[in-house]
Amino acid sequence: KQEVTQIPAALSVPEGENLVLNCSFTDSAIYNLQWFRQDPGKGLTSLLLIQSSQREQTSGRLNASLDKSSGRSTLYIAASQPGDSATYLCAVSSPWGNNRLAFGKGNQVVVIP
Amino acid sequence: EAQVTQNPRYLITVTGKKLTVTCSQNMNHEYMSWYRQDPGLGLRQIYYSMNVEVTDKGDVPEGYKVSRKEKRNFPLILESPSPNQTSLYFCASSLQDKPYEQYFGPGTRLTVT
Repeated sequence: KQEVTQIPAALSVPEGENLVLNCSFTDSAIYNLQWFRQDPGKGLTSLLLIQSSQREQTSGRLNASLDKSSGRSTLYIAASQPGDSATYLCAVSSPWGNNRLAFGKGNQVVVIP
Repeated sequence: EAQVTQNPRYLITVTGKKLTVTCSQNMNHEYMSWYRQDPGLGLRQIYYSMNVEVTDKGDVPEGYKVSRKEKRNFPLILESPSPNQTSLYFCASSLQDKPYEQYFGPGTRLTVT
């Protein structure tokens, strides 16, 4: 069974600093890995999707890397802003998962103005 | 606008009173799924459906029922809700050949007293 871990569970950073969020997964046989953003009490917004054959994806200030062999992904947010305050979820899909996404418990981020 | 809608968004009910949470998508997606999100446990899949009249259990199906009579709708039924079903529920959908591109609904916050 795929297990997804996100460290740290919570962090606070001053505005302008770069954010580094880590995700690890136990089974390297994955279709892809996604990073989602969730605001309090709200739904999930997909930020970046990395296919298993890719090493990284970039969107604006966001960059996500994938090291499938070691079971790790990192989400990097450059020059953080207060609007980046949210919970970031990592999710992995596997060939035998019946399309189920295995989620980590999230990194809760607060950017201090 | 392509979207997944859920109703109601918020619901407070009492133990044992049957309820249904509706989920509808307008993207002609074959695959639909229900997740619940609980503090410290992350998101876990309840039930999923690969297509009309095809449903199967996810990781935490106890106490829930689903049906898929139409492609666009995938209601979640709690026949006899209990307090341990108090949670935030998400519906998701995707194309069968793009299982990684799951679109999530806004969530339904259910409280069972």
